[in-house]
Amino acid sequence: RKEVEQDPGPFNVPEGATVAFNCTYSNSASQSFFWYRQDCRKEPKLLMSVYSSGNEDGRFTAQLNRASQYISLLIRDSKLSDSATYLCVVRRTGNQFYFGTGTSLTVIP
Amino acid sequence: DGGITQSPKYLFRKEGQNVTLSCEQNLNHDAMYWYRQDPGQGLRLIYYSQIVNDFQKGDIAEGYSVSREKKESFPLTVTSAQKNPTAFYLCASSIVTGGQPQHFGDGTRLSIL
Repeated sequence: RKEVEQDPGPFNVPEGATVAFNCTYSNSASQSFFWYRQDCRKEPKLLMSVYSSGNEDGRFTAQLNRASQYISLLIRDSKLSDSATYLCVVRRTGNQFYFGTGTSLTVIP
Repeated sequence: DGGITQSPKYLFRKEGQNVTLSCEQNLNHDAMYWYRQDPGQGLRLIYYSQIVNDFQKGDIAEGYSVSREKKESFPLTVTSAQKNPTAFYLCASSIVTGGQPQHFGDGTRLSIL
């Protein structure tokens, strides 16, 4: 079983839509959780960390459910510039990071 | 500004040749990592280092070598033993404690001539 699993999509949504991505992780000892954004042929960039109580950054909301080993990212009022691949990342003890394969989002005018 | 610098941006390798990818960071991070990304796929860990003069193999270390002589630098050599080296190579760094995220360089694209 993979350490981190994501639905690869693709998700094609109209501008202004709300879209949600989900991610599951296999190791309950995982410590820290992140969402990264990767544009085509570019490096991943940190979008936001995910905290146990859930957290919001503008149009983006991240949730963590440790009991179910599940992380989510909600994007409200989608913009064309949100089109990218979103990577779910889990950090374990020993400074190891585990990446999902990414979920592709295209926002359509 | 602090960050991670990878060079070159594009690199071409001839058959039987070793090539070295540079990664330098001025973030004062102890841990550094090398990943490989193939088209349409996720990141796979090649090597990582948590401290100077120490490094560990990742999932796909065969055909690669690294060194960590300075905290700031973690070069990756792609040897002739790596038969399919064409990929996007990403260097990252992180603070060792506190559950902090990784920061990435902007990558090197390696192709076979």
